[in-house]
Amino acid sequence: EAGVTQSPRYAVLQEGQAVSFWCDPISGHDTLYWYQQPRDQGPQLLVYFRDEAVIDNSQLPSDRFSAVRPKGTNSTLKIQSAKQGDTATYLCASSTGGGGEQYFGPGTRLTVL
Amino acid sequence: QQKVQQSPESLSVPEGGMASFNCTSSDRNFQYFWWYRQHSGEGPKALMSIFSDGDKKEGRFTAHLNKASLHVSLHIRDSQPSDSALYFCADMPNYNVLYFGSGTKLTVEP
Repeated sequence: EAGVTQSPRYAVLQEGQAVSFWCDPISGHDTLYWYQQPRDQGPQLLVYFRDEAVIDNSQLPSDRFSAVRPKGTNSTLKIQSAKQGDTATYLCASSTGGGGEQYFGPGTRLTVL
Repeated sequence: QQKVQQSPESLSVPEGGMASFNCTSSDRNFQYFWWYRQHSGEGPKALMSIFSDGDKKEGRFTAHLNKASLHVSLHIRDSQPSDSALYFCADMPNYNVLYFGSGTKLTVEP
């Protein structure tokens, strides 16, 4: 069974540029999460979906970050105008919900110069 | 947001030795802890979960939970070089979102 896939694996931007991250969850997983992991820290939730609905986006910097999951399968996380403080690894995870194991993708390592 | 304090920051053990990690939650209502491991360049991978007081053993890994003190620990016996990685504990108070600690870097020396 294929795991969670993410692309791109790496991105390097200048401040002010936009970037999108793509995630393909495990087939059949209705819950999808986006986490931000700064260097030398644990992952921190940005947003999560159940099917196509946003359940919690309270930690998403809404003025520059957006996330969608239009058909309840793949998801895209976008940063509209990147800042140096956005430098981190962006992790996508999926699960069947209800306290079950979250399966993480390899992440996208973003560097904002 | 939940706070999970994790210690130590880093740990070095000889091959075949015991590695131990500790976490304390600030949430008196916490229900459910997970331990994750992250190798360099990869995403975190779940090792085990625990929600009942006492010990839970899976192979070389043993987790211990004390709800009264909000403390959870993980012990790896017979550590191998392939166990070298970042180890995270994570609280899951609402059965959906994981709140991760800051991690412990384990180095197992051959």
